[in-house]
Amino acid sequence: EPEVTQTPSHQVTQMGQEVILRCVPISNHLYFYWYRQILGQKVEFLVSFYNNEISEKSEIFDDQFSVERPDGSNFTLKIRSTKLEDSAMYFCASSEQLAGGGEQYFGPGTRLTVT
Amino acid sequence: AQSVTQLDSHVSVSEGTPVLLRCNYSSSYSPSLFWYVQHPNKGLQLLLKYTSAATLVKGINGFEAEFKKSETSFHLTKPSAHMSDAAEYFCVVIQNVSGGTSYGKLTFGQGTILTVHP
Repeated sequence: EPEVTQTPSHQVTQMGQEVILRCVPISNHLYFYWYRQILGQKVEFLVSFYNNEISEKSEIFDDQFSVERPDGSNFTLKIRSTKLEDSAMYFCASSEQLAGGGEQYFGPGTRLTVT
Repeated sequence: AQSVTQLDSHVSVSEGTPVLLRCNYSSSYSPSLFWYVQHPNKGLQLLLKYTSAATLVKGINGFEAEFKKSETSFHLTKPSAHMSDAAEYFCVVIQNVSGGTSYGKLTFGQGTILTVHP
């Protein structure tokens, strides 16, 4: 069964450093998403991406964040200058069509720890 | 704006007994609702979804949920718990705005951890 993969599973970085989280969505999906979950809090929407541009972004997704689909398979989330409060589990998801009809398939997540 | 409240952070049941995980939602327009499950070190897996068709929705692994508009609820149930059901469960809403566009933003509840005892 096709699945969304994410690398790395755990990333430790120092405050102020840039990090890139990588995701490989399901191959025939057209819509891509990033969510994050700070420990003990809800899963929060960050951004949706379609046709090589951002469709929607949350207030969290400020100028420090960017997304890119550099090739036909990868979907990346970049944080330019990490802060302590960026420590969280980051989930990538993809869907064949827009939800509500299209379900989103999630990857296992990347745990980002900023020290 | 839409929101989701999961009424229990932890639910503990014995194997073979019924499971009830409670969820209430609020939404300005007709919502689509989902239940996702997350097993340790795994991604979020869709259990079932409601998208304005039948109000009683059947999902995988014997789970089902009933959409009750009058109560703004979407509780998840299973007649008989299995040890493999132990996981964290998320109730999720997406708002279908006028014109049918939502851009896919899911709003999550805070999660319910289900423990199943032998």
